[in-house]
Formats: sequence, structure tokens, C-alpha cells
Amino acid sequence: EPEVTQTPSHQVTQMGQEVILRCVPISNHLYFYWYRQILGQKVEFLVSFYNNEISEKSEIFDDQFSVERPDGSNFTLKIRSTKLEDSAMYFCASSTGAGQETQYFGPGTRLLVL
Amino acid sequence: DAKTTQPTSMDCAEGRAANLPCNHSTISGNEYVYWYRQIHSQGPQYIIHGLKNNETNEMASLIITEDRKSSTLILPHATLRDTAVYYCIVRVVQGAQKLVFGQGTRLTINP
Repeated sequence: EPEVTQTPSHQVTQMGQEVILRCVPISNHLYFYWYRQILGQKVEFLVSFYNNEISEKSEIFDDQFSVERPDGSNFTLKIRSTKLEDSAMYFCASSTGAGQETQYFGPGTRLLVL
Repeated sequence: DAKTTQPTSMDCAEGRAANLPCNHSTISGNEYVYWYRQIHSQGPQYIIHGLKNNETNEMASLIITEDRKSSTLILPHATLRDTAVYYCIVRVVQGAQKLVFGQGTRLTINP
């Protein structure tokens, strides 16, 4: 069964450093998403991406964040200058379309900013 | 998206049916009810969704009341691996694409 994959599974970085989290969505999916979950808190939406453009973003997704689909298979989340509060699990998801189409999630990347 | 209310936690014996309730009294006609679960810190796993008819798949059944103001997710024969946080989410059919997660119900399956 096709699944969303994410790398790395764990990332430790120093405050102020740039990190890139990578995702490979399910191959025939067209919509891509990033969510995050700070330890002990809710899963929060960050951004959705379609047709090489951001289609929706949350207040969390400020200028420090960017997303890119550099090739036909990868979808990346970049945090330009990490802060301690960026420590969280980051989940990528994909779906075939918007609306009622089901989003399928990857296993996540645990980011720890020191 | 409509707000949902779920119990904070529930327990169920292994092998029994687990019935997880969700209230969504402000649901509108174009909103679907989705259920996801999260086992430990893994990515949320899709379980089932429905609009107004009851639905069943290999994982669970979804019962939606006639007025659509509440629903119940049923795991017919719960196993220890079903221990997880279960999220009930209502979502418009078009427009907003994001999933809005609440705190969910922490379901513990006991041996």
C-alpha cells in the first residue's frame, strides 16, 4: 500500500541554524501539507500546497518557513533560522484533491532545537 | 469548520467493541465527519469518514445520527494495538483544506 515517507526521522540542530525536512508524498497525489505537533499539544496545520503554490497557511507559518517541491517526488519544509519553540514533530500529508479527499500522513520528523 | 466535543479518555476491554462518541452540533450540510487516530507519536492515521449515512470499512464503523449532530466510531473487536488518541474532525467539502485537530479521546484497551 502506498504511503507517505519522511526523512530524517530525527533531527537535532542548534538554534539559529537552517533545517530542511523532507517528504515523499504518495505518487498520484496532488495536494501536500505540513502539520506540526509540539510535545503534549494538538496537531496543528502549517501549510497546504498545490500546483507549486501555497494554497493556505496558518499564522504559525511565518517568514521563517518555506515549502518547495524541488522535483516530481519530494516536498520539503525549510525553517530558515530555528528557534527553541520550533522543537516539535513535523508531519507531512498528501491527498489526491481538496475538499473531502482523505489526507494521508507520514510518520513524522522529530525536530529538536537546542 | 464545526467544533467537535469528545470525551478526554475512555477504557475498553480487549476483544470488546469500543464505542467512541463525538458531538458536532453545529455541523453544516456540506461538512463530512472524519476520524483519525494517533498511536503514540506516530503520524495521524485515517480511519473512516462519512456525510450522513453510516459507513463501515475494514477498520471501523461510523454511525451518524439522523440530525447529524453526533456520531460514534465503533471498533468492533478492540485489540491492544488500538490504544491511541482518536480524533473526530468535521470538514467542509470544498474550500478550506486543512484538518483541525482537537484534543481527541485517549482510548486505552486493557487486557
